Amino acid sequence: QQQVKQSPQSLIVQKGGISIINCAYENTAFDYFPWYQQFPGKGPALLIAIRPDVSEKKEGRFTISFNKSAKQFSLHIMDSQPGDSATYFCAASSNDMRFGAGTRLTVKP
Amino acid sequence: DVKVTQSSRYLVKRTGEKVFLECVQDMDHENMFWYRQDPGLGLRLIYFSYDVKMKEKGDIPEGYSVSREKKERFSLILESASTNQTSMYLCASSLGADEKLFFGSGTQLSVL
Repeated sequence: QQQVKQSPQSLIVQKGGISIINCAYENTAFDYFPWYQQFPGKGPALLIAIRPDVSEKKEGRFTISFNKSAKQFSLHIMDSQPGDSATYFCAASSNDMRFGAGTRLTVKP
Repeated sequence: DVKVTQSSRYLVKRTGEKVFLECVQDMDHENMFWYRQDPGLGLRLIYFSYDVKMKEKGDIPEGYSVSREKKERFSLILESASTNQTSMYLCASSLGADEKLFFGSGTQLSVL
């Protein structure tokens, strides 16, 4: 049973558009919510992370929105670029990290 | 630069073989993890370790064991490989709990 549910499974966005990926969790003990980006042939790499004491965190074009009461969080990629094409994983942790199923993002030029 | 090194990029084994996947980190990290990655299922935690000689089961430990004799090295062992263990295996390390994970490039294991 997946502890972190991620959607959509795949996403196609035009260059300059906004990419939105959503995740939901059940375990209220989770206290760290990162997003990882993975390119083909590479291991995942940390993109941005949030802790539950804030509702939003922004780093450049990447923003995490966090809704503690709904137990949901999302990644927004503004002005999406072809170089953003990758697989994105949300995760949640309370000592050990659990990952969502992944979203394959394709940004068309 | 930080580095997590997995010994093999590709590995082909026969069913019933004992398989060792090795992982080494050079960051003096306390925590090390083994995940398997399958399409549509994401990364699933197999085993993790918070300290030398310590190990904890993750979500899918059946058919696997681990060894951590030294802080920098965490080995995943498939006692008797089966075809359903064909997968991409990813090792990761972190400095502490709820900290950034550093991943290796993965080992694509095929069990025939």
